Amino acid sequence: QKEVEQDPGPLSVPEGAIVSLNCTYSNSAFQYFMWYRQYSRKGPELLMYTYSSGNKEDGRFTAQVDKSSKYISLFIRDSQPSDSATYLCAMKGGAAGNKLTFGGGTRVLVKP
Amino acid sequence: NAGVMQNPRHLVRRRGQEARLRCSPMKGHSHVYWYRQLPEEGLKFMVYLQKENIIDESGMPKERFSAEFPKEGPSILRIQQVVRGDSAAYFCASSPVADLEQFFGPGTRLTVL
Repeated sequence: QKEVEQDPGPLSVPEGAIVSLNCTYSNSAFQYFMWYRQYSRKGPELLMYTYSSGNKEDGRFTAQVDKSSKYISLFIRDSQPSDSATYLCAMKGGAAGNKLTFGGGTRVLVKP
Repeated sequence: NAGVMQNPRHLVRRRGQEARLRCSPMKGHSHVYWYRQLPEEGLKFMVYLQKENIIDESGMPKERFSAEFPKEGPSILRIQQVVRGDSAAYFCASSPVADLEQFFGPGTRLTVL
C-alpha cells in the first residue's frame, strides 16, 4: 500500500464547474500538506500549503485537511481550460522530516 | 526574484557516461531537495542538502548517484555510468528554511541511449 493514495483520473469537467480532488494517507505523523499543479513537461507549481486541520482559501482554491480521517482535499471553483493539468498532493513531517511524499497525481481536463 | 533554476533542461547521454545536473536555488534559500519522476510514476524524493552538508539521502540509490551543495555555486546531482533506467525527469526544489514551502525548478530531462 502506498503512503499517499490519489486517484489518477482523468477527471473531466465542463468549464465553470467545481473541481474536487482528494488524497488519503496512512502516516499519521504527516503535519504539512501541499497541493502542486504540474503542466505537461514542466515543474510542479505550489498552489496551497497548509499545516493544521481545517480549511484554507486562496482565490479560486480551497484546501481542506482532516487529520483524524487522514484525508485532504482541494477544490477549484469556476474552473478554466487553463486549469487542465496534473494535480499532485504532497505531505511531510514526523520521522519523514522535510522530504515530501507525493501522491501519484490526478489528471484534470477542463473542457470549454 | 528568479525562481529555482536548473540546467541543462535536456540532457542526452549514452550508457556508461556521466550525467551532471545543476540546480541554483531561489535567492535566500539554503535548503535544496532533489526529486526524480520516472515515466508514468510519481515524484520520489532523492536527497536533501544544506550548504556543504547532506541532511537526508535516504532516497538516493546506493551506487552511482551522488549530490553536493558547495559553499559557492549550484547544487550538483551526479550520476556515474548511466543506464537506461536512469532516464527520467529530475527536479530540484528549494526552501528558505526547513519547515517552509518547497519551490520547484523546471527540471532536467535525462535520456539515456
